[in-house]
Amino acid sequence: DAGVIQSPRHEVTEMGQEVTLRCKPISGHDYLFWYRQTMMRGLELLIYFNNNVPIDDSGMPEDRFSAKMPNASFSTLKIQPSEPRDSAVYFCASSGTGGPTNEKLFFGSGTQLSVL
Amino acid sequence: QKEVEQNSGPLSVPEGAIASLNCTYSDRGSQSFFWYRQYSGKSPELIMFIYSNGDKEDGRFTAQLNKASQYVSLLIRDSQPSDSATYLCAVNMRSGYSTLTFGKGTMLLVSP
Repeated sequence: DAGVIQSPRHEVTEMGQEVTLRCKPISGHDYLFWYRQTMMRGLELLIYFNNNVPIDDSGMPEDRFSAKMPNASFSTLKIQPSEPRDSAVYFCASSGTGGPTNEKLFFGSGTQLSVL
Repeated sequence: QKEVEQNSGPLSVPEGAIASLNCTYSDRGSQSFFWYRQYSGKSPELIMFIYSNGDKEDGRFTAQLNKASQYVSLLIRDSQPSDSATYLCAVNMRSGYSTLTFGKGTMLLVSP
């Protein structure tokens, strides 16, 4: 299995531009999570999906952030317009179902976002 | 605000020693507990999980849980330089499937 695949690995953009981050979860996993990691705040959950449906987006910082999961194998996180304070590493993670072990998260390699 | 607290470190230990990493959590109703290892510039990787009070051993790693005191710890025996990483404690603070709350992590440095 290829694991969780994220793209791009690095993104450098200017303030005000639209940024789209992409994620392919592990096949068969029906939970998908988007996290953001910074030195100051650590790993923060932004939003998660179950069977392609958004369950909890209370971690999305503001309306500039949006996430979609059009099918079981693809999700996007979009920031429009981007701001310098959005600079962080964004991780996508997935997990399966079937008892307590569904809580084991498998992380993608992350997208390092720099907004200038 | 439900929180998971860890000492940021760095925790420095010599090669071959036991490294002890600690984590406290605020929600007494928390059900499951995880330790993730994150190498610099890499993504977190699950190394241990524990659900019941007591110890759970896996190779050189031992997770310890004390729900009454609301702490969970990770012991690494015979520490190796390759163990140098940041260790993240994660807690599921609700019963049933939920989401994990992560601590900010403790950096471990193992010197040869």
